[in-house]
Amino acid sequence: KAGVTQTPRYLIKTRGQQVTLSCSPISGHRSVSWYQQTPGQGLQFLFEYFSETQRNKGNFPGRFSGRQFSNSRSEMNVSTLELGDSALYLCASSGGKPTDTQYFGPGTRLTVL
Amino acid sequence: QKEVEQNSGPLSVPEGAIASLNCTYSDRGSQSFFWYRQYSGKSPELIMFIYSNGDKEDGRFTAQLNKASQYVSLLIRDSQPSDSATYLCAVNVAGGKLIFGQGTELSVKP
Repeated sequence: KAGVTQTPRYLIKTRGQQVTLSCSPISGHRSVSWYQQTPGQGLQFLFEYFSETQRNKGNFPGRFSGRQFSNSRSEMNVSTLELGDSALYLCASSGGKPTDTQYFGPGTRLTVL
Repeated sequence: QKEVEQNSGPLSVPEGAIASLNCTYSDRGSQSFFWYRQYSGKSPELIMFIYSNGDKEDGRFTAQLNKASQYVSLLIRDSQPSDSATYLCAVNVAGGKLIFGQGTELSVKP
């Protein structure tokens, strides 16, 4: 089976712009979770989509949003970028049960200048 | 109190020794617990998962879970330099929501 893929792998944006990141889960997985990783805060949960619905949400401002399509592919959008949004954004896919393992994609490295 | 806490690193062990990594969590309703390994510049990869109290062994790795004490640990036997990485403890608190600890950096010296 192909693994989780994320595009683009690297992105450079300036403050105030918006960005869209994409994640394609492992075939058959219905849950996609998004995480932000920074040196200071570690890995933090952003949100989870399951069967096209946001099922869980972390403590991030409304500038962070996402969606999931009928083929389980997911996109994450960040509007009005701030310098502090520079991070590695990881998505993970699973079957959706709490006991299911989440498999991570390679991540998108976002740099905000 | 942080939801998931790991013993602070870095942890340095000689090659061939046992490395012990610890993690505590605050949500008593948590059902599943995961250990991920992350090499610098890479994404996390699963090492072990555990759901029931007790020990679970997989090769050189043993995960231990004590739900009464809200404690999870990972033992790495016969540590190798290739085990040098950051180890992340993750707790599932709902559906596809994992809460991660800050990670413990392990260094295995030849």
